[in-house]
Amino acid sequence: EDQVTQSPEALRLQEGESSSLNCSYTVSGLRGLFWYRQDPGKGPEFLFTLYSAGEEKEKERLKATLTKKESFLHITAPKPEDSATYLCAVNSGYSTLTFGKGTMLLVSP
Amino acid sequence: IAGITQAPTSQILAAGRRMTLRCTQDMRHNAMYWYRQDLGLGLRLIHYSNTAGTTGKGEVPDGYSVSRANTDDFPLTLASAVPSQTSVYFCASSSIGSNEQFFGPGTRLTVL
Repeated sequence: EDQVTQSPEALRLQEGESSSLNCSYTVSGLRGLFWYRQDPGKGPEFLFTLYSAGEEKEKERLKATLTKKESFLHITAPKPEDSATYLCAVNSGYSTLTFGKGTMLLVSP
Repeated sequence: IAGITQAPTSQILAAGRRMTLRCTQDMRHNAMYWYRQDLGLGLRLIHYSNTAGTTGKGEVPDGYSVSRANTDDFPLTLASAVPSQTSVYFCASSSIGSNEQFFGPGTRLTVL
């Protein structure tokens, strides 16, 4: 059974204070690791897909990295508009995703 | 429309009533999914469909049913609602082989 654990559950940063969110996973064979952003009252919004250890992807102030056991979402010089819940999910060969419970990020001005 | 639409946006329902949540996508995606999201439990898969005419059970299928008569629509039915089905429900879709799922705006359901 696939398992995804995200930490921390919540993170409060000052604007410009860089940090990282963690996603640890256990799967029988990783076919993709996905990061989503979710704003309050809205559906998750796709950010990145990573497929193999060592892969990195960037979008604005966000960079996602992947190892064989975990993924990190690095946030560089965050702004208040980066405040959201960030979700991690894995796919292990079927068409479905297993999601973690998310990290709620609050960036204060 | 562009993307995925869900209806209704929110609903308050008496226990024991039947309810259908609607989901429509215009991206011609093969696969569609229904999730529920509860505080502290995250997103959990209820049912999915890899293509029109086929459906499968997810992690929490009990009390729910789905149908997939065509590519665009994927309704979720609660035959006899119970308070534990109070949740936010999200529909999603993806192209087969991609697994990048795109989500609708959600339906907030309260069962009293």
